[in-house]
Amino acid sequence: KNQVEQSPQSLIILEGKNCTLQCNYTVSPFSNLRWYKQDTGRGPVSLTIMTFSENTKSNGRYTATLDADTKQSSLHITASQLSDSASYICVVSRGGSYIPTFGRGTSLIVHP
Amino acid sequence: DTAVSQTPKYLVTQMGNDKSIKCEQNLGHDTMYWYKQDSKKFLKIMFSYNNKELIINETVPNRFSPKSPDKAHLNLHINSLELGDSAVYFCASSLQGATYNEQFFGPGTRLTVL
Repeated sequence: KNQVEQSPQSLIILEGKNCTLQCNYTVSPFSNLRWYKQDTGRGPVSLTIMTFSENTKSNGRYTATLDADTKQSSLHITASQLSDSASYICVVSRGGSYIPTFGRGTSLIVHP
Repeated sequence: DTAVSQTPKYLVTQMGNDKSIKCEQNLGHDTMYWYKQDSKKFLKIMFSYNNKELIINETVPNRFSPKSPDKAHLNLHINSLELGDSAVYFCASSLQGATYNEQFFGPGTRLTVL
């Protein structure tokens, strides 16, 4: 069964600290993995995308990693800011399918 | 310019009513989607349309009917609304065949059924 599991479910950190969010998947055959950021009251917005051959990709203070062998990905946020408070959703696409598989998201709260 | 827009943003209605949510995209995409996000923030796909044809119809009640007058619009009509229909509904679009098929989401419509 194609599934995407994210951990932790929620996370609270202080402004300026780093954090790492995890994503494990069983989707097969693998095509690509995206991390989306969803601010409260808004739709998800893509942060990064990774394909099978990529193991690290950065977007500003966001760095995503992918281990296609263990089917794990992580999203590392450096020097967190209040604006990082959001839900982060891991989405994995299967080769040949229009429809990606969504994780349940990690809710991140950054406190001043 | 708004890439994917939805109307209304908020919808409050009584059980048993019929309502519609509209979605429009100006990205030139050929595939559009409707998602339901429940109170636990899980996004679940409901429908997908490619070039005005339904290509995915996940197991949703037939009270929900998508309508696509053209490939820039995908509306969602809901008959006989129930309490459990309360959720945030997101429209999204993508371009099939484009590299990595990124979906662009609208701002969502929060539906509350009383």
